[in-house]
Amino acid sequence: GDSVTQMEGPVTLSEEAFLTINCTYTATGYPSLFWYVQYPGEGLQLLLKATKADDKGSNKGFEATYRKETTSFHLEKGSVQVSDSAVYFCALTGLTGGGNKLTFGTGTQLKVEL
Amino acid sequence: GAVVSQHPSRVICKSGTSVKIECRSLDFQATTMFWYRQFPKQSLMLMATSNEGSKATYEQGVEKDKFLINHASLTLSTLTVTSAHPEDSSFYICSAPTSGGAGDTQYFGPGTRLTVL
Repeated sequence: GDSVTQMEGPVTLSEEAFLTINCTYTATGYPSLFWYVQYPGEGLQLLLKATKADDKGSNKGFEATYRKETTSFHLEKGSVQVSDSAVYFCALTGLTGGGNKLTFGTGTQLKVEL
Repeated sequence: GAVVSQHPSRVICKSGTSVKIECRSLDFQATTMFWYRQFPKQSLMLMATSNEGSKATYEQGVEKDKFLINHASLTLSTLTVTSAHPEDSSFYICSAPTSGGAGDTQYFGPGTRLTVL
């Protein structure tokens, strides 16, 4: 079945540091790929998505590129802020569930310090 | 973006009682909604797919008689935890895609914190 693997956290960075959170996936066919963010005490919010190979999703300074050859969708940001502290989830929708059934990675907690 | 609400945001109940959680799509219709359970510091586990006008589809290992799902309308799905026990304490989250197309963006409710005493 479909699966998503992301790096374990917590990841602790200083403000303005470069961020990479690795995500790889296993799926049949061509899934859509997503990054969701969960701020403390809040629900999940879509951060960015990519629906086909070589697409780059971007939002709020975050970027991720759909790499079919390496089955990866790594999240990057050039300069993190304290307000970016949250849990980040990589996810995909595959062929099951009408193409809308999300499979999540385990989440990576990011802590950004001054 | 689209808005999904959940009610209540948190509930505390006694063991053996039933608790109903509502999930509403406020500005769009959702023929499908999803219910997840999130344990502390862990990922979301899909429990079931709620289908308007038909029975819910449950994931393997999820007891359908314990977690009753009713998709009453195109904007409302309810999850009832029957005869709740302390091990059912968790964070329950619903989501809905806006159009139902493959790869469509899903919008999540803010979650419901259930504590069973």
